[in-house]
Amino acid sequence: GAVVSQHPSWVICKSGTSVKIECRSLDFQATTMFWYRQFPKQSLMLMATSNEGSKATYEQGVEKDKFLINHASLTLSTLTVTSAHPEDSSFYICSTGTSTDTQYFGPGTRLTVL
Amino acid sequence: GNSVTQMEGPVTLSEEAFLTINCTYTATGYPSLFWYVQYPGEGLQLLLKATKADDKGSNKGFEATYRKETTSFHLEKGSVQVSDSAVYFCALPFSGGYNKLIFGAGTRLAVHP
Repeated sequence: GAVVSQHPSWVICKSGTSVKIECRSLDFQATTMFWYRQFPKQSLMLMATSNEGSKATYEQGVEKDKFLINHASLTLSTLTVTSAHPEDSSFYICSTGTSTDTQYFGPGTRLTVL
Repeated sequence: GNSVTQMEGPVTLSEEAFLTINCTYTATGYPSLFWYVQYPGEGLQLLLKATKADDKGSNKGFEATYRKETTSFHLEKGSVQVSDSAVYFCALPFSGGYNKLIFGAGTRLAVHP
C-alpha cells in the first residue's frame, strides 16, 4: 500500500511562532489529502481536505487563516499553524488514498506550543 | 450526517481473555465500516473493514460483523495478546463520501501477561 510520511515527527515551539508540517505521499499521486487533529486520549477530528492545485476545504469550526494548507504537488501537502498558541498543541495526522476503503495514514506530528 | 459511537475505555484484560469493543453508527445508506488500530508511537493502520450489511471483516484474529438491524460493528477477538495493546477506532465515511472518515472516540486496550 501507499506510504505516507510526515515531517517533523514532533516539534516544540514558542507561542506566537508559526510551524509547518509536511505530509508526503511516497509512492502514490495524491490529488487529495486529509488533515486530522487528535487531542490527547481523544479521537481524530477532520480539519480540512487538501486539494492539489486548488484551495483547501475546511471543516466547520476550523479557522482557515490559522491553519494554512498548501498542496502544490501530487506528493506534498503542508499544514502551517500560524501564530501558534498552547491550545494548538495536538497530534496532527494526514491521510490519502484512492477511496474511503483505501486510506493511508501518516505517522503523525506532535506539536507542543510553550 | 453520519456518526459513530464507540465504547469508552480503557479496557484492561489479561492475556488470552475475550475482547469486545462496541461500536454503533448512524448513517445514510449502507457505507463501509472500518476498525483502525493505533499502536504506541505509530500511525493509524486499517485493522479490518466490511463493505456491506452482514459482511464480516477479519484480520489478525479480530472480527467485526456489519449488522444493519442493530446498526452495530462490534470488534471481537477470542484470545488477546500483550501485543494487541493499542487504541482501537471505529470509523465510517462522511455523508457523501469524498474519502474522508469520521472516527469514534477510540478505545484504549491494555493487555497484561
